[in-house]
Amino acid sequence: AQSVTQPDIHITVSEGASLELRCNYSYGATPYLFWYVQSPGQGLQLLLKYFSGDTLVQGIKGFEAEFKRSQSSFNLRKPSVHWSDAAEYFCAVGDAGNQFYFGTGTSLTVIP
Amino acid sequence: DTGVSQDPRHKITKRGQNVTFRCDPISEHNRLYWYRQTLGQGPEFLTYFQNEAQLEKSRLLSDRFSAERPKGSFSTLEIQRTEQGDSAMYLCASSRKRVQETQYFGPGTRLLVL
Repeated sequence: AQSVTQPDIHITVSEGASLELRCNYSYGATPYLFWYVQSPGQGLQLLLKYFSGDTLVQGIKGFEAEFKRSQSSFNLRKPSVHWSDAAEYFCAVGDAGNQFYFGTGTSLTVIP
Repeated sequence: DTGVSQDPRHKITKRGQNVTFRCDPISEHNRLYWYRQTLGQGPEFLTYFQNEAQLEKSRLLSDRFSAERPKGSFSTLEIQRTEQGDSAMYLCASSRKRVQETQYFGPGTRLLVL
């Protein structure tokens, strides 16, 4: 069955520091992978997605993610975090029927 | 592009009452999805429509839950005889009818059952 694991429930980083949020998935076929961000009172916003091709994908707000098939991972990175990046981040895998399976999320706190 | 909208944004009800939520998808999107999100969890799939046809329902969707999309445009999610365990954020998303399509989410309806 499809599933997504986000091992880090909560991460705290200093503003300007680099960030990496981990995501591991379980899916039998070629996965469609997504990262969404959810700010308080806001809907889920797509940061980036991977379907095929280049395993390093660029997204909005300076985020990128790398698909590693051998590790079943799709980790999200940002070289320099801004205070406005504080939010909840969700990794999701989509199946052939376009049904999404979300991880439990990682809450990011940014300290000055 | 007006995005996905949901109404109401918040709902407080007493246990045993019925509630209905509405979702208006992005106009050209064929597919519409309902998710439930509880505190500290990611969204969990409930059901989805392709045009007016309800194609899949999760086991999470008990017989107290019913969803419709009568004309293939907006959708409603009704919960009958609400229980305290129904308290959650109910999210709606829409996408085009293709594999690999991004789902665009609405702001959600937060339900509190007292």
